[in-house]
Amino acid sequence: GAGVSQSPSNKVTEKGKDVELRCDPISGHTALYWYRQRLGQGLEFLIYFQGNSAPDKSGLPSDRFSAERTGESVSTLTIQRTQQEDSAVYLCASSPWTGTNTEAFFGQGTRLTVV
Amino acid sequence: RKEVEQDPGPFNVPEGATVAFNCTYSNSASQSFFWYRQDCRKEPKLLMSVYSSGNEDGRFTAQLNRASQYISLLIRDSKLSDSATYLCVVIVSGYSTLTFGKGTMLLVSP
Repeated sequence: GAGVSQSPSNKVTEKGKDVELRCDPISGHTALYWYRQRLGQGLEFLIYFQGNSAPDKSGLPSDRFSAERTGESVSTLTIQRTQQEDSAVYLCASSPWTGTNTEAFFGQGTRLTVV
Repeated sequence: RKEVEQDPGPFNVPEGATVAFNCTYSNSASQSFFWYRQDCRKEPKLLMSVYSSGNEDGRFTAQLNRASQYISLLIRDSKLSDSATYLCVVIVSGYSTLTFGKGTMLLVSP
């Protein structure tokens, strides 16, 4: 597929459990973003990866959240000891980030429900 | 003050109407601007970039006012399919994060 792929599409977990969300960006895209969107709310920035630079983690809401990216490919977002307020759609986006093309392409998201 | 602010709406308009949204940004170093569209329970998709000289794509016109730090989106001849949330997006020079506004909801009725 040519688009950004996220898995799982839906995840229900019990409070206190750890979850791992995966994002496969478009091949060749150097930039990768994670956002969170709670029901009826706007997009909340979490973390940004750009090539080999240190990631911008300024949006991570707590130390329970972490993310990794292998080179310029797959990224995983891990939430430890999930809480009910973590329930949201987690969106991943990638961008070619060339001089003039910074369009971000989004995956369909992972809908996380913490019960 | 929030980095990117939008009127949440909803804007309720009849088919064929012209509607305009504004978005203000707080960081004067902002360099790149976009409008994204998000349909209900779907991911955001790029609608159009916003250039300094203003740009048009069919029924959609985007403009940038650097002096007043706002961008605008004008939709002419609204269609039912234009119903969505329109997200203003800013990239600040020296940073690469896409900063999203919370969106303006548009509802076009028959």
